[in-house]
Amino acid sequence: EAGVTQSPTHLIKTRGQQATLRCSPISGHTSVYWYQQALGLGLQFLLWYDEGEERNRGNFPPRFSGRQFPNYSSELNVNALELEDSALYLCARGKKGQEAFFGQGTRLTVV
Amino acid sequence: DQQVKQNSPSLSVQEGRISILNCDYTNSMFDYFLWYKKYPAEGPTFLISISSIKDKNEDGRFTVFLNKSAKHLSLHIVPSQPGDSAVYFCAARSGGYNKLIFGAGTRLAVHP
Repeated sequence: EAGVTQSPTHLIKTRGQQATLRCSPISGHTSVYWYQQALGLGLQFLLWYDEGEERNRGNFPPRFSGRQFPNYSSELNVNALELEDSALYLCARGKKGQEAFFGQGTRLTVV
Repeated sequence: DQQVKQNSPSLSVQEGRISILNCDYTNSMFDYFLWYKKYPAEGPTFLISISSIKDKNEDGRFTVFLNKSAKHLSLHIVPSQPGDSAVYFCAARSGGYNKLIFGAGTRLAVHP
């Protein structure tokens, strides 16, 4: 099902730069979740947006931020990149009470 | 604070046998549990879920068992197939609209 598209699929940035990751909407799915999967670790919850508002955020510093647009697409922004931000960033779309559908992820590499 | 734990990082099973993946949780407010499968370079794919009002849910070769008193759930795959080789994540949520909390994952290898 999903149809969740993330862009870009790969992104290489240098330390200190900013990264912007994007997630496409799915009709009827107003919620978007962002997760980080660092090497060897599970999925760590980053942010949850619904109806254009941030509903919850995980234990990440403020340089991780995002937004959701009126068409329910979403951006994740990471400022002042650090080497340990290198990870797979996953976006998931969800409906209340149902499972979340994930995109293929954006592989961010900070050098 | 890990609210969802998958204590086995890896599991190796022979084709045709049963695979049992385990997951423990600490938050008694969790009321919905899910299993996802993830192949390399792909996002997680939903597999099966169970509500806290049930103790078993079955879908084809996949069955999820929930033991609320022990705060434990397990995923049974039978018979296991080589295509089942992937990383399996269990996840939990409290409230219908809340974020999913994931375990660290278990890498399943099904060999001929």
